[in-house]
Amino acid sequence: DIQMTQSPSTLSASVGDRVTITCRASQSISTWLAWYQQKPGKAPKLLIYKASTLESGVPSRFSGSGSGTEFTLTISSLQPDDFATYYCQHYKSFSETFGQGTKVETK
Amino acid sequence: QVQLQESGPGLVKPSQTLSLTCTVSGGSISSDNYYWNWIRQPAGKGLEWIGRIYISGSTKYNPSLKSRVTISVDTSRNQFSLKLSSVTAADTAVYYCALAGFWSGTLDYWGQGTLVTVSS
Repeated sequence: DIQMTQSPSTLSASVGDRVTITCRASQSISTWLAWYQQKPGKAPKLLIYKASTLESGVPSRFSGSGSGTEFTLTISSLQPDDFATYYCQHYKSFSETFGQGTKVETK
Repeated sequence: QVQLQESGPGLVKPSQTLSLTCTVSGGSISSDNYYWNWIRQPAGKGLEWIGRIYISGSTKYNPSLKSRVTISVDTSRNQFSLKLSSVTAADTAVYYCALAGFWSGTLDYWGQGTLVTVSS
């Protein structure tokens, strides 16, 4: 099975900060990677797919990059609404696998 | 816009079978454009994909749960269902149903989630 490892597990940041979250796959997954945002008590929301394609309606401060085994999610200028937990997911596979999540909290 | 709503017992006894239903509105479960998925999340923990079904009846399950999981579709009711057998306290979680595009593969629409507690 392909394992997805996110880092860090928790990230403390302030409004306006540039934030970067990393997701590593245990083997190459091409660009079959998505990023989701989840707020407490809510279902996850798709942000980015195909590693770098922004879902419709998602603010342009979010961006994704990477291919193969290493991927990043970047928030260029953190906004109050962005404090949440972020998950990467390998999809279009035999077993769709999520990373363990990165919680972005207020510094 | 497609909406999904989970329903089922909130409390299940150990060793019994957990059964949940996801009702789809605003779209047809018979569409060949979608996969229908179940995902779960224990309190304070991450997301775990359980499995999915296509309208053809084709299924894929998480290998770690495969021996206990059955996902089925009821086209007459525009619903799909999850059965998880021989549950233990480790199966206590919020269970989500979600739609994935057949071509995109991403989980585009989610239900609000339903908490299932396994306890005697």
